[in-house]
Amino acid sequence: DTEVTQTPKHLVMGMTNKKSLKCEQHMGHRAMYWYKQKAKKPPELMFVYSYEKLSINESVPSRFSPECPNSSLLNLHLHALQPEDSALYLCASSGRALGPGVGPGTGELFFGEGSRLTVL
Amino acid sequence: SQQGEEDPQALSIQEGENATMNCSYKTSINNLQWYRQNSGRGLVHLILIRSNEREKHSGRLRVTLDTSKKSSSLLITASRAADTASYFCATWGIGGFKTIFGAGTRLFVKA
Repeated sequence: DTEVTQTPKHLVMGMTNKKSLKCEQHMGHRAMYWYKQKAKKPPELMFVYSYEKLSINESVPSRFSPECPNSSLLNLHLHALQPEDSALYLCASSGRALGPGVGPGTGELFFGEGSRLTVL
Repeated sequence: SQQGEEDPQALSIQEGENATMNCSYKTSINNLQWYRQNSGRGLVHLILIRSNEREKHSGRLRVTLDTSKKSSSLLITASRAADTASYFCATWGIGGFKTIFGAGTRLFVKA
């Protein structure tokens, strides 16, 4: 069983809807991630939060808006999505925060089961 | 962005056989990791090998790393039907502070 919990498991939304994906971890991890995965493709990094601050935004369109309310929670707010945004959205956490001096034994990610998003 | 290529893209073997998957990457790394993903599920971390290591074992898994060739391989020995899944390599880059995944290999183990 994963220790990273994602809700909802499935979401269907229209292009004019506003919805949110939620992610929660209680492992005390300080880095949290959103990945997007299309069928038969690898996960693609979207956002990274370190110590509740946005550290990396991989040029993601503004219709995706991440939020990290506290060290255990990560949200992804969705607005005016396109059908091509349909995908599995994966949340992950890592025990090591980002920054100078981070050693080579870091980077192990703990994933949730994902939220399957369909945009009509 | 995608770090590199994995081959084969798909592999079908009989239970009990060994499965070998290869991964190539493009940039210098701190470490390389392998993950497994069952269909439609989240990814599970299998093993991490640091850039200064050449080989690592964990149970039925053996990972090698050749930084001069920017490549890694994952060997699963005595495969089982439950090993059927997609396997991804992922790299933790120097100064990049992010984990980037390779294209993945889909492994099918026939009982």
